[in-house]
Amino acid sequence: SQKIEQNSEALNIQEGKTATLTCNYTNYSPAYLQWYRQDPGRGPVFLLLIRENEKEKRKERLKVTFDTTLKQSLFHITASQPADSATYLCALEDSWGKFQFGAGTQVVVTP
Amino acid sequence: ETGVTQTPRHLVMGMTNKKSLKCEQHLGHNAMYWYKQSAKKPLELMFVYNFKEQTENNSVPSRFSPECPNSSHLFLHLHTLQPEDSALYLCASSHTTGGGVDDEQFFGPGTRLTVL
Repeated sequence: SQKIEQNSEALNIQEGKTATLTCNYTNYSPAYLQWYRQDPGRGPVFLLLIRENEKEKRKERLKVTFDTTLKQSLFHITASQPADSATYLCALEDSWGKFQFGAGTQVVVTP
Repeated sequence: ETGVTQTPRHLVMGMTNKKSLKCEQHLGHNAMYWYKQSAKKPLELMFVYNFKEQTENNSVPSRFSPECPNSSHLFLHLHTLQPEDSALYLCASSHTTGGGVDDEQFFGPGTRLTVL
């Protein structure tokens, strides 16, 4: 069965450092991979989308990589700030538009 | 109002009650979604509507009944729920479905449902 794995343990990181999150998947051929941010009690907010033929995408302090051979995406937050504290979800979409989300990884940035 | 709105934000109901959740999107999108989010679990896609037509039902129990009267409004009718149905119910919209860069999803704030 299709499976998306994100680290269930919270990532605690000091302000200014780079946070790196992983999203691994099995039995899936995604056409697109998306990352969302979710704050407590709120709906997810879209951050970045990367296509299967793209290796890397950047947006301000965010960087996403996508390795279809390893079946893995890495999500980096550089120069992290306390305001970056949230849960980050990866979502895979296949060529037919079928969506599936990972459970998310909580990031805690301490001053 | 802009974006995706959901009402009510919080709902407590008994197992014999009937209630409805409402979602409205002001983005001009054609696709709308219902998700269930339980603690520490991935978002579970429940229903997908594209141009008012249901395109996906992920084996959701019949005690959940969706309704999409037009592309801007989506309802989830609830009846005879179970305590394990307690969760955050999220509505989302996107330009369309079917794969493509326009399929970024915009989420509402969710309805926190508690079934006693």
